Amino acid sequence: DVVMTQSPLSLPVTLGQPASISCRSSQSLVHSDGKTYLFWFHQRPGQSPRRLIYEVSNRDSGVPDRFSGSGSGTDFTLKISRVETEDIGVYYCMQGSHWLWTFGQGTEVEIK
Amino acid sequence: EVYLVESGGGLAQPGGSLRLSCAVSGFSVSTYDMNWVRQAPGKRLEWISYISGRSGAVWHAGSVEGRFTISRDNAKNSLYLQMNSLRVEDTAVYYCVRGHMADWGQGTLVTVSS
Repeated sequence: DVVMTQSPLSLPVTLGQPASISCRSSQSLVHSDGKTYLFWFHQRPGQSPRRLIYEVSNRDSGVPDRFSGSGSGTDFTLKISRVETEDIGVYYCMQGSHWLWTFGQGTEVEIK
Repeated sequence: EVYLVESGGGLAQPGGSLRLSCAVSGFSVSTYDMNWVRQAPGKRLEWISYISGRSGAVWHAGSVEGRFTISRDNAKNSLYLQMNSLRVEDTAVYYCVRGHMADWGQGTLVTVSS
């Protein structure tokens, strides 16, 4: 199975400041169709996860443009340009390029 | 608008069975790939089952292979997860998820305990 490793696991942030989360995979996530199926999710306490980013860098509908995804191969990053209160919670990366699909262990974003 | 509503969770004894249902609206389960994803308390998300919208082919994670079965009923526009031989470690919130995890239900809690 592809192992997804996120860092940091805990990220204290200041409102209005940027934040960055890293996600690394144990093997390349380039699929045989040429696409890279790397996704980012946000889960607030007591809620279902919400997909923010698909295929590395594409924002889902309704996702604020302060969220951006980047990376290639095995190294990926989620950036928040200016953290807002509603951004607290746990962020997960997930790969969908290889069976079985696997998630990172999660990064908890909290306000300092 | 897309809705996914899970039901069927609850308390089960080790070795017992439960059947989860996911009623969907806003799209047809026969035209989309569908998944079950679970989250044990304090643990990361775990994808466990998949059914192809086009072919109906299924795939299960090794942790549930041979015990859980994903299926769908096109007429009822619903997705199911038959869970047999339940173990304590199957305790989790189970989510019904569409496609490449674009849309999620609210989840249903399964607790396996004697």
